[in-house]
Amino acid sequence: AQSVTQLGSHVSVSEGALVLLRCNYSSSVPPYLFWYVQYPNQGLQLLLKYTTGATLVKGINGFEAEFKKSETSFHLTKPSAHMSDAAEYFCAVRGDFGNEKLTFGTGTRLTIIP
Amino acid sequence: NAGVTQTPKFQVLKTGQSMTLQCAQDMNHEYMSWYRQDPGMGLRLIHYSVGAGITDQGEVPNGYNVSRSTTEDFPLRLLSAAPSQTSVYFCASSYRAGVGGYTFGSGTRLTVV
Repeated sequence: AQSVTQLGSHVSVSEGALVLLRCNYSSSVPPYLFWYVQYPNQGLQLLLKYTTGATLVKGINGFEAEFKKSETSFHLTKPSAHMSDAAEYFCAVRGDFGNEKLTFGTGTRLTIIP
Repeated sequence: NAGVTQTPKFQVLKTGQSMTLQCAQDMNHEYMSWYRQDPGMGLRLIHYSVGAGITDQGEVPNGYNVSRSTTEDFPLRLLSAAPSQTSVYFCASSYRAGVGGYTFGSGTRLTVV
């Protein structure tokens, strides 16, 4: 069965600083990996996804993530944080072929310090 | 607009009452699912469906029922509401295999008193 671990339930960065949100996954087959963002009192919005092909994936709002099979990681980064990036971020994995179930991490709340 | 529509957005129930949370999508997605979101626990899968007439249990199915009579609709029924079911519920859908990603509804905030 697949699983996701997000390190750090809360992360604070200064405006303009690098954003790094960590995600490690477990899957018995090549995974599909996703990052979602949730703004207060809203639903989940897809930031980016990795299915196959290029391991560096670019998403919306300047975010990107790199799939590293050897490290079973899919960390989310953004070079320069903006106040509007304050939200909760969820990493998710769809694992076994033919199993569309999406398993989420527990989330990381990102705070931006002015 | 294409997407996943959830109703109602807010609901307060008394313990023991039953209700149905509605979910509809107009993207012809085969796969639909229900999650609940609780603080510090991320999103946990309640039930899912890979097509009309096919449903299966997720991680936390107790106290909930689902059916899938059409491709578009996937209602979630609370049989006898309990305070432990106070949560935010999200419906999601995707094409088979989830390659294109999963589209989420805006959620239903349920309080059981």
